Amino acid sequence: EVQLLESGGGLIQPGGSLTVSCAASGFSFNTFAMSWVRQAPGKGLEWVSTITDSGDNTFYADSVKGQFSISRDNSKNILYLQMNSLRAEDTAIYYCAKDGRTSGTDGFDVWGQGTMVTVSS
Amino acid sequence: VLLTQSPATLSLSPGERATLSCRASQSVRSLLAWYQQKPGQAPRLLIYDASYRAPGIPTRISGSGSGTDFTLTISSLEPEDFAVYYCQQRYDWPGTFGQGTRLEIK
Repeated sequence: EVQLLESGGGLIQPGGSLTVSCAASGFSFNTFAMSWVRQAPGKGLEWVSTITDSGDNTFYADSVKGQFSISRDNSKNILYLQMNSLRAEDTAIYYCAKDGRTSGTDGFDVWGQGTMVTVSS
Repeated sequence: VLLTQSPATLSLSPGERATLSCRASQSVRSLLAWYQQKPGQAPRLLIYDASYRAPGIPTRISGSGSGTDFTLTISSLEPEDFAVYYCQQRYDWPGTFGQGTRLEIK
């Protein structure tokens, strides 16, 4: 079964740092780009960051550029998002998603259940 | 690329036809996807490349359009179709989302 499982969310003080993870299973992790998408409480979806299959290229939304860092460990099938200098507006559910483009399904075809990050003092 | 979805909220009854719109600020060719999100759940891919159904998506759900104007149509609403729908452009990869349309029971 194809599955993504996020972890690492929690309550963090403003200005703090946090790394969330996403464990992948059931597919060839190292052949697909992976992304993080967030959703603030009661709001819509916001694309945050993407990393290519090899990890050689990364992309960020302007709202998090220079603040967040995406990475992956293809030997462990894990995707990471390191978040620094966190602000209240970073409070959201963080979803990881598999990009199906290379298999012909041009969209985020598999999603995790999300991990909640709350930035508050 | 900016995506604008309309209407923000659509109130319909089961059995009715739903038509949701997504307009792009510039041409995205056919590189557009649609997602459904139910409360407390992750989004689910419905449509990719503007008109191709993802695996397991029922035939009552269809997508159309190209360039800047796209439509998601649900031919006859089932109770499980009431949810929030998002479009995503994939032209400027990996893509950005529209603000969503809430489909609610009338």
